[in-house]
Amino acid sequence: EVQLVQSGAEVKKPGESLRISCKGSGYSFTTYWINWVRQMPGKGLEWMGRINPSDSYINYSPSFQGHVTISADKSISTAYLQWSSLRASDTAIYYCARSLVGGTSWFDPWGQGTLVTVSS
Amino acid sequence: DIQMTQSPSSLSASVGDRVTITCRASQGITKSLAWFQQKPGKAPKLLLYAASRLESGVPSRFSGSGSGTDYTLTISSLQPEDFATYYCQQYYTTPYTFGQGTKLEIK
Repeated sequence: EVQLVQSGAEVKKPGESLRISCKGSGYSFTTYWINWVRQMPGKGLEWMGRINPSDSYINYSPSFQGHVTISADKSISTAYLQWSSLRASDTAIYYCARSLVGGTSWFDPWGQGTLVTVSS
Repeated sequence: DIQMTQSPSSLSASVGDRVTITCRASQGITKSLAWFQQKPGKAPKLLLYAASRLESGVPSRFSGSGSGTDYTLTISSLQPEDFATYYCQQYYTTPYTFGQGTKLEIK
C-alpha cells in the first residue's frame, strides 16, 4: 500500500524553529515529487512547494519562498518542511502529497496532515 | 500564477439530488485538473484527475468534464457520505493552485 505518514502535532512559540516530516512507503520514493500544502484554520488549500527526492531539485511557491525550507533524505524515504523562525500566522495543518516526476501529475495520496500551532 | 475560480462557494442539497460545481482557470490548463473531496479533520482525497478520469475506488456517481479554462464536477445522485468540501486544482504549471472550495451541505 502506498502511504505517506507525517510526523505528529507540534506546539511552538513564535521565533522557534521546527522541522516536520513525511515518510513515503510502498513505492519508489525517488520517482515522485513530494509536495507540501498548507491549510490555515477554516481555510482552503495552498501549495507551498515540492521536492524531487532523486536530486533534491525544489520548486517553491513565491508566497512561501524565503520563509520555509523543503528538503529530503532519499536514503530513508523522508521529506521535510522546516522553519527557522515561526510566526503565529504559521498556525495551520500541513499536508504532504505525492505526484509523479516527469510531465504533469496529480496529487495522490496525501499524508494525514501535521497540525502546527504557534502561540506565545 | 493561474487563478482558479470555483463556484458556488457553498451549496445546500438533498440526498438524491444532482449537483454541479464549476471551476474556471485564468488561462488554459489543457485538462490538467484534479478534484478533491475533504471531510472535516481529514486529508483531501483525490476523486478525478485529467479533468474527467475517475480515481480507482471512487463511485461512478462522480464525473468530471471540461477543457481549456472551464471544468465541472458533477455528482449524479447525492449520498449522505458526499456532504463535504470539494476543491479543484490545476497541476498544469507551478505554482500549483486550488479553487477556494465548495462546501456541500445537507438541505
